[in-house]
Amino acid sequence: SQQGEEDPQALSIQEGENATMNCSYKTSINNLQWYRQNSGRGLVHLILIRSNEREKHSGRLRVTLDTSKKSSSLLITASRAADTASYFCATDPSGGSNYKLTFGKGTLLTVNP
Amino acid sequence: EADIYQTPRYLVIGTGKKITLECSQTMGHDKMYWYQQDPGMELHLIHYSYGVNSTEKGDLSSESTVSRIRTEHFPLTLESARPSHTSQYLCASSTRTYGYTFGSGTRLTVV
Repeated sequence: SQQGEEDPQALSIQEGENATMNCSYKTSINNLQWYRQNSGRGLVHLILIRSNEREKHSGRLRVTLDTSKKSSSLLITASRAADTASYFCATDPSGGSNYKLTFGKGTLLTVNP
Repeated sequence: EADIYQTPRYLVIGTGKKITLECSQTMGHDKMYWYQQDPGMELHLIHYSYGVNSTEKGDLSSESTVSRIRTEHFPLTLESARPSHTSQYLCASSTRTYGYTFGSGTRLTVV
């Protein structure tokens, strides 16, 4: 079963607006990661936040992690048409030596010019 | 830029044919993965490897097989392709410290 569930499934905004996507998961994790996928392409790693971190920034991206609620959010500020893509969260479950991420179903973000 | 390469990018093949999807990485990563993804849908792990001569089946049952004879190479083989195999196949590699690096994918259509 999928560990991460993104919300909303689809989001449409105007250029310049902020976009917020949420991810919920079920078990304890080592870290949570966000990826972007342009249509028909592979995924691109955006940012990783460890379980002992609460917030992380990278350029126009801001990620928060609340381990007590088992949830994370990805904020893209001042969005651009080029940000149009699907965004996936992925979790690295804690315990064990395997490194096998579980991906959510993704949020499709459309940024209108 | 990703240093992981998948070939072919697109493949249309007849039912019953044997096919091999190639995946190579130049980063020296020990861990490699194959995911299956239908358009607009989630990723399903079908195979993974933690090193040479180490392969495991993933969460989604698949009729494909993989091999890991060299660190940089992780090919996926379908002995007899069927229309139900039509999908996008994504290869990825990683170390434990960082996230996955994905290839551009192979879009397979079985007619």
